[in-house]
Amino acid sequence: GENVEQHPSTLSVQEGDSAVIKCTYSDSASNYFPWYKQELGKRPQLIIDIRSNVGEKKDQRIAVTLNKTAKHFSLHITETQPEDSAVYFCAASEDSNYQLIWGAGTKLIIKP
Amino acid sequence: DSGVTQTPKHLITATGQRVTLRCSPRSGDLSVYWYQQSLDQGLQFLIQYYNGEERAKGNILERFSAQQFPDLHSELNLSSLELGDSALYFCASSGNLGGNEQFFGPGTRLTVL
Repeated sequence: GENVEQHPSTLSVQEGDSAVIKCTYSDSASNYFPWYKQELGKRPQLIIDIRSNVGEKKDQRIAVTLNKTAKHFSLHITETQPEDSAVYFCAASEDSNYQLIWGAGTKLIIKP
Repeated sequence: DSGVTQTPKHLITATGQRVTLRCSPRSGDLSVYWYQQSLDQGLQFLIQYYNGEERAKGNILERFSAQQFPDLHSELNLSSLELGDSALYFCASSGNLGGNEQFFGPGTRLTVL
């Protein structure tokens, strides 16, 4: 079955700098890759997603890149702000069952 | 607000007891997922239902069971509770067409004393 690995587990960056979180997946049939943000005590919320027919997707300060050959995808956050502090989860799935396989999460800390 | 509702918000009970957590998915969503999140841990997938039928099973203990009713709401039953079952339990729902985005409810925080 699918397995998703996420690195790093904790990432601390200076406010204004960029942050990059990486995930690898094992199942070449996976074709949907979302990223969720979970603030402390809150529910996970989708922030961006990408499908396997696209290599990159951007939404303001966040972007996701996908390398199907290497089976990895990354979340890029530019010009980080204090409100970006949260835990970020990547996931992968294929259309046959809509089940998401989750990474272990990355705690992003934005230092003032 | 995601449109997914969960009750109760908080639940405090004793070891050995049984509790039921309830989830109402977004209008029109046929899939319901249950997750367990222990303190500072990731999302552990428990079980998925689609239109009333069990679709996938994750790391769900035998003491736990779930079902999805004809009106698509779902219940997660936890029995013979142990201290280690204390966690945040999330329900999520997704539609059957057009994407795999899962919308999460606010969660039920279970504390077993």
